[in-house]
Amino acid sequence: DVKVTQSSRYLVKRTGEKVFLECVQDMDHENMFWYRQDPGLGLRLIYFSYDVKMKEKGDIPEGYSVSREKKERFSLILESASTNQTSMYLCASRGVVTDTQYFGPGTRLTVL
Amino acid sequence: GENVEQHPSTLSVQEGDSAVIKCTYSDSASNYFPWYKQELGKRPQLIIDIRSNVGEKKDQRIAVTLNKTAKHFSLHITETQPEDSAVYFCAARFPSNDYKLSFGAGTTVTVRA
Repeated sequence: DVKVTQSSRYLVKRTGEKVFLECVQDMDHENMFWYRQDPGLGLRLIYFSYDVKMKEKGDIPEGYSVSREKKERFSLILESASTNQTSMYLCASRGVVTDTQYFGPGTRLTVL
Repeated sequence: GENVEQHPSTLSVQEGDSAVIKCTYSDSASNYFPWYKQELGKRPQLIIDIRSNVGEKKDQRIAVTLNKTAKHFSLHITETQPEDSAVYFCAARFPSNDYKLSFGAGTTVTVRA
């Protein structure tokens, strides 16, 4: 079974703080993704990585950066958290031989 | 742009009835269309997908149909059960980028006992 884990289920941060969200997958998948999920907006892609040290902007990258130093780990960084970044953040991974994206359990981030 | 529109946003059905969710996409060259189900408090999981060279695919009580001419695809759930209550997301892969999926806004399905 593919396992995608995220470092926290719930996180509360203050405006201006630097926030790190981590995602780890155990299936040797090349591709990893970060989405945010908001009611009525579905899943919106923030950034993705098609291989180690490779990254590409998604549809809403502003205010975020990412890091992929190892194949199994993909980090999302909020350089200076703002209240409009309060959301559910979902990580996903995908291998090159399949189209299926496997999601992590999500991190609900609240920025006060 | 790469757009996927999903309707309806909410759907309430009586147990045993059918549910249909429809999605339209913007690029006629799109080639892959998955459906994900997200139960309350859980992660989205793939339930069925279809490729552009196929018109219909079934898996037990769920089916997906694709109309390439009209650029829309639909999820059909027959004989709905309480465990079908969830948020359903459609998605499409656009030819501009093989890695990305663009998701619809989601449909909250409630099955009434």
